[in-house]
Amino acid sequence: EAGVTQFPSHSVIEKGQTVTLRCDPISGHDNLYWYRRVMGKEIKFLLHFVKESKQDESGMPNNRFLAERTGGTYSTLKVQPAELEDSGVYFCASSRITGGTEAFFGQGTRLTVV
Amino acid sequence: GENVEQHPSTLSVQEGDSAVIKCTYSDSASNYFPWYKQELGKRPQLIIDIRSNVGEKKDQRIAVTLNKTAKHFSLHITETQPEDSAVYFCAASRSNYQLIWGAGTKLIIKP
Repeated sequence: EAGVTQFPSHSVIEKGQTVTLRCDPISGHDNLYWYRRVMGKEIKFLLHFVKESKQDESGMPNNRFLAERTGGTYSTLKVQPAELEDSGVYFCASSRITGGTEAFFGQGTRLTVV
Repeated sequence: GENVEQHPSTLSVQEGDSAVIKCTYSDSASNYFPWYKQELGKRPQLIIDIRSNVGEKKDQRIAVTLNKTAKHFSLHITETQPEDSAVYFCAASRSNYQLIWGAGTKLIIKP
């Protein structure tokens, strides 16, 4: 089966611009997670979709971040306007069952805000 | 909130020796404990996991132990090889909740 794919793999934008990251989960995986890893730090949870519904968005840092998953398939994460501290690697993961099962990760999107 | 502490942050071992990474968790209801390996420039990938109904699980050179009373679990890698060099993350979750991650351990295998 195809894995989790993310687009783009790298993005360099200026402070104040908008960037949209996309994640295509494994087909049939209802659960989709967004994570962020800032340089040298741990993987931080951002939010969790179950199908098209936001199950938990407690990790979203502020209202500059907007995630959507229309139709319960792919998801987008928009950062608007981007700030320097938003730089990091954004990972998406998907799984079949909520909790207690393996989450498959995408290759990540490296976001650099300059 | 719930958290997972992971130690050490960096571990350097001689090739062929064993490596041990430890994690403690705060949520006593956690029942699933995966370990992920992230090689440089690649995505995190699951290498082994354990559920709360067992105390130990082994897969070739890697093993994980779980002590629910003390709320800690450990990753053991024996006969380390250069390809074991990576960042290792532990995580914990309870049913229907998202994973809580440790800060990661950079494992360096010295030739």
